[in-house]
Amino acid sequence: DVKVTQSSRYLVKRTGEKVFLECVQDMDHENMFWYRQDPGLGLRLIYFSYDVKMKEKGDIPEGYSVSREKKERFSLILESASTNQTSMYLCASSSSQGAHPGANVLTFGAGSRLTVL
Amino acid sequence: AQSVSQHNHHVILSEAASLELGCNYSYGGTVNLFWYVQYPGQHLQLLLKYFSGDPLVKGIKGFEAEFIKSKFSFNLRKPSVQWSDTAEYFCAVNSDNAGNMLTFGGGTRLMVKP
Repeated sequence: DVKVTQSSRYLVKRTGEKVFLECVQDMDHENMFWYRQDPGLGLRLIYFSYDVKMKEKGDIPEGYSVSREKKERFSLILESASTNQTSMYLCASSSSQGAHPGANVLTFGAGSRLTVL
Repeated sequence: AQSVSQHNHHVILSEAASLELGCNYSYGGTVNLFWYVQYPGQHLQLLLKYFSGDPLVKGIKGFEAEFIKSKFSFNLRKPSVQWSDTAEYFCAVNSDNAGNMLTFGGGTRLMVKP
């Protein structure tokens, strides 16, 4: 079964701490995404990557950075966590193959719920 | 930038009632349209998608959605809901000027009373 695995389901951090959220996919997908999910706001794209070492800003990149050193792994970094970054973080991946790559389905991980105190 | 609106944030229905969840998007060009569902405690998963052809799309578990280009809409429907349909539903749009990026709506939380 195809999988997107997020390393931590629950994290509690203090303001100012550096936070790493890891995501690994085993589907050989080119594209990987980080979203945050907040009630009433749906999913908002933070960053995505379409290839190793490539990254693009999404709708809300401020306060975040990403790293993609290997195809299967996409990391989200909060350099200095703040309370307004308390949220559920979702990683997803998709293929860029096929006649309609924009129609390819995203496979999501289980999410990482981050609380910043 | 692309935007996606889901007008119903919370919907409560009794079993066997009919369901329609609204979704509107802002982009006037070519779009790919999706509905994802998140059951309690589970991953987000695809319910159905439209990218070309018949604008009436059928998905899993008896759901369907209709793409009406003139209304910029992609409403989700089910003629008779079940308690197991209790979940959060997200509409999402990929536009032809956005590569592989998806823009999601704010979600609709559906509760079906047994």
